[in-house]
Amino acid sequence: GENVEQHPSTLSVQEGDSAVIKCTYSDSASNYFPWYKQELGKGPQLIIDIRSNVGEKKDQRIAVTLNKTAKHFSLHITETQPEDSAVYFCAASISGGSYIPTFGRGTSLIVHP
Amino acid sequence: NAGVTQTPKFQVLKTGQSMTLQCAQDMNHEYMSWYRQDPGMGLRLIHYSVGAGITDQGEVPNGYNVSRSTTEDFPLRLLSAAPSQTSVYFCASSIGGMNTEAFFGQGTRLTVV
Repeated sequence: GENVEQHPSTLSVQEGDSAVIKCTYSDSASNYFPWYKQELGKGPQLIIDIRSNVGEKKDQRIAVTLNKTAKHFSLHITETQPEDSAVYFCAASISGGSYIPTFGRGTSLIVHP
Repeated sequence: NAGVTQTPKFQVLKTGQSMTLQCAQDMNHEYMSWYRQDPGMGLRLIHYSVGAGITDQGEVPNGYNVSRSTTEDFPLRLLSAAPSQTSVYFCASSIGGMNTEAFFGQGTRLTVV
């Protein structure tokens, strides 16, 4: 089955800095890579996703890049703000397969004011 | 817009007791799944369903049963609770197809003493 590795487990930055979280996956058939944000006491919520036919996608301060050859993808947050503090999960799944994503172990992002 | 509703939010069980965690979604999603979240372990898949009457095991199915008699509901049963099942449980649903975003409930925090 699919295996998703996520690093780092904890990331501490100053407000205004950039943050990068990296994930690798094992199954070359995976073609959908979402990122979820989990705030304290809540369920994860999708913030951005990318499909295998795209190398990069941006949404305001958030961007995701995908390297299918190397089987890794990354989340980039620019101009971080305290409200970005949360746990971030990457995931990989196969559109056309079971659709059930395999998640990384999560990154706790702390943005210091 | 209710989305995915989980009940209860908190539960304390004694070892050996049984209980059912409820999950209901009102988005007519075919795909539903249960995850457990433990510190440093991310989201691990327990069981999932690709439609009414169809269920399958995930990564950590032991000690849990599921059924899917309707599209809306996907309950998770603990037949004989053990301290190792102390965790936060999340139910998720997705429409499948090319759009595989997962929508999560708010979670159930279960403590087995």
